Amino acid sequence: QVQLQESGPGLVRPSETLSLTCTVSGGSISPHYWSWIRQPPGKGLEWIGYIYYSGSTNYNPSLRSRVTISLDTPQNQFSLELTSVTAADTAVYYCAREGLRGAYTYGSYDYWGLGTLVTVSS
Amino acid sequence: DIVLTQSPDSLAVSLGERATINCKSSHSALYISNKKNYLSWYQQKPGQPPKLLIYWASTRESGVPDRFSGSGSGTDFTLTISSLQAEDVAIYYCQQYYSTPPTYTFGQGTKLEIK
Repeated sequence: QVQLQESGPGLVRPSETLSLTCTVSGGSISPHYWSWIRQPPGKGLEWIGYIYYSGSTNYNPSLRSRVTISLDTPQNQFSLELTSVTAADTAVYYCAREGLRGAYTYGSYDYWGLGTLVTVSS
Repeated sequence: DIVLTQSPDSLAVSLGERATINCKSSHSALYISNKKNYLSWYQQKPGQPPKLLIYWASTRESGVPDRFSGSGSGTDFTLTISSLQAEDVAIYYCQQYYSTPPTYTFGQGTKLEIK
C-alpha cells in the first residue's frame, strides 16, 4: 500500500522560506506525477505544482515565482520550497500522487499524505 | 484561468435519499484525443485529506461504494449519491485537469449534511 508522509517545520517566519519533504513508501516514484496541494484553514484546495518522475516540473502560475519542487529518487522523496512567505501562505500542505491507469493519468490524486499545518507568523 | 463552480454550496438530505452535487467548468474537460473528461470528485471529512471518489468524470475509484456515481461531459458534471448514509457527511470537491498549460483546479466545495 502506497503511503505518503509530509515533514517539515510547523512554523515559519514571514519573508522566510517554507520547506517541506514528502516521503513515499510502499511504491516507486516512477512513473508518476507528484504534487503539492494546500488548504488554508476552513477553505478550499489549491494546487501548488507537480514534479514528474523524470524531474520535469510545472507550477501554479499564481505561485510560480516563489515555488520550487525537487526530487530525490534514491530516497523516494520530493520536496517543496516556497519563498518570501506571508500569513496568506498559512495552510495545511498535502503531498499527493496522480493516479495512473494503463497509458493514461487520472488527472487527479489517488494517494494523499495526511497533511501538515504550516503557520506563518512572527 | 479555469473556474469550477459547484452548486449548491451546502446541501441537507435525509438518510436513504438521493444527493446531487453539480460542477460547472469555464473550460471543457473533454480531451478529444482519448475521449476522456478530466473531471474528478473527492470527499473530505474533517481533519482528513481528500479521498478520490470518481475520476474521468464517471469512473469509480477502487473501493468506493457503488452508491457514488459521476456523470457529465464537456463543462457540466454531476456527483450523485443514490442513498445517503450517515458516513457520507463531508465536503465534496470537483477538480479538473487542463493540459495547456498543465493545471489542476478545484471547485469551492459543497458541504453535505443530514436533514
